[in-house]
Amino acid sequence: GAGVSQSPSNKVTEKGKDVELRCDPISGHTALYWYRQRLGQGLEFLIYFQGNSAPDKSGLPSDRFSAERTGESVSTLTIQRTQQEDSAVYLCASSKGQDHADTQYFGPGTRLTVL
Amino acid sequence: GNSVTQMEGPVTLSEEAFLTINCTYTATGYPSLFWYVQYPGEGLQLLLKATKADDKGSNKGFEATYRKETTSFHLEKGSVQVSDSAVYFCALGERGSNYQLIWGAGTKLIIKP
Repeated sequence: GAGVSQSPSNKVTEKGKDVELRCDPISGHTALYWYRQRLGQGLEFLIYFQGNSAPDKSGLPSDRFSAERTGESVSTLTIQRTQQEDSAVYLCASSKGQDHADTQYFGPGTRLTVL
Repeated sequence: GNSVTQMEGPVTLSEEAFLTINCTYTATGYPSLFWYVQYPGEGLQLLLKATKADDKGSNKGFEATYRKETTSFHLEKGSVQVSDSAVYFCALGERGSNYQLIWGAGTKLIIKP
């Protein structure tokens, strides 16, 4: 079956521009996560959506970052006025959202380069 | 707060060597524990997991046992292959949480033929 998909796979932008990253979760998965992975680093949690509940935005590094999700479908992560330190791979994952032991399924990521 | 600590990499081994990647955790409750793997050029994927104390997760020849007394979940494999070269992440998911995982920093494994 279809896994988690993300687009674009690569994005090169100039400092100060806005970017929008997209994530299509696995159908039926109520939980959706965004992470950031800088080169050679671990995963940094950004934001979490669970069904129709208010999202957990505690990991967003600044107010330049925002994310939306419509119901239990597509999510977009928007970074405004990009900075060079925003360069990283942005990963999206989804899970059934039923139990703390649920497996998270990851997309291939979007590699963002801010020049 | 909850945390996960992994041994730093890179870990470099010869093919057929025995592998151990250490992972210890701090948690207030009774978490589930995971190992995820990121092969070169591929996305993160679950390798194995254990949901309660003394459980052993296993997959692809890898094993990890949930040790509550030592708060550890070390990853082991008896005989590694070049194809095992990847970055391995230990993670923790706590009961009653909003299903977030707490991630270790990752350990890069390099297997030489």
